[in-house]
Amino acid sequence: DVKVTQSSRYLVKRTGEKVFLECVQDMDHENMFWYRQDPGLGLRLIYFSYDVKMKEKGDIPEGYSVSREKKERFSLILESASTNQTSMYLCASSLWGQTNEKLFFGSGTQLSVL
Amino acid sequence: DAKTTQPPSMDCAEGRAANLPCNHSTISGNEYVYWYRQIHSQGPQYIIHGLKNNETNEMASLIITEDRKSSTLILPHATLRDTAVYYCIVRAGGTYKYIFGTGTRLKVLA
Repeated sequence: DVKVTQSSRYLVKRTGEKVFLECVQDMDHENMFWYRQDPGLGLRLIYFSYDVKMKEKGDIPEGYSVSREKKERFSLILESASTNQTSMYLCASSLWGQTNEKLFFGSGTQLSVL
Repeated sequence: DAKTTQPPSMDCAEGRAANLPCNHSTISGNEYVYWYRQIHSQGPQYIIHGLKNNETNEMASLIITEDRKSSTLILPHATLRDTAVYYCIVRAGGTYKYIFGTGTRLKVLA
């Protein structure tokens, strides 16, 4: 089974701190994603990466950056955390393909910015 | 991109079939219908997907109407562990965009 591992289950940070959220997948998937999930808003895509060093902005990239130096690892960076970035962050990966592509999610990181 | 509409919540008796509807009236010909579920405090889990034909796997069945404007996810014998939020999503073939709505909160009652 595909395993997508997020480094922390819970994180508490202070406003203005630089925050790194790490995600690792073990199935050699090309695609990796970062979503945030907020009550009543569903899942919203922050960034997407389709290969090492390649990235595309999702629907809500403001205030975030990403890094993909190795195929298995995708990092989400909050350059200067703010209280409105308190949220559940979900990492996902997928194998590129037309018919059988599907997302595999990690367990999520609940980030609180105080 | 096609949007989906789902009822916000449903109840189902344990052991009975749970039928979760989804409307995707603006779906285009190359867009797949996916279903995921999210159990509290976990990441979403893939259930099933399809393009035109009905699909079945070990978890569920997916019934897509002939005009593809709506679909139904069927859990044939719901258990308490099926209590979760169920998301109906469309994705255009060849793209990475999965459009998640707010889903249906299914509660399976003992």
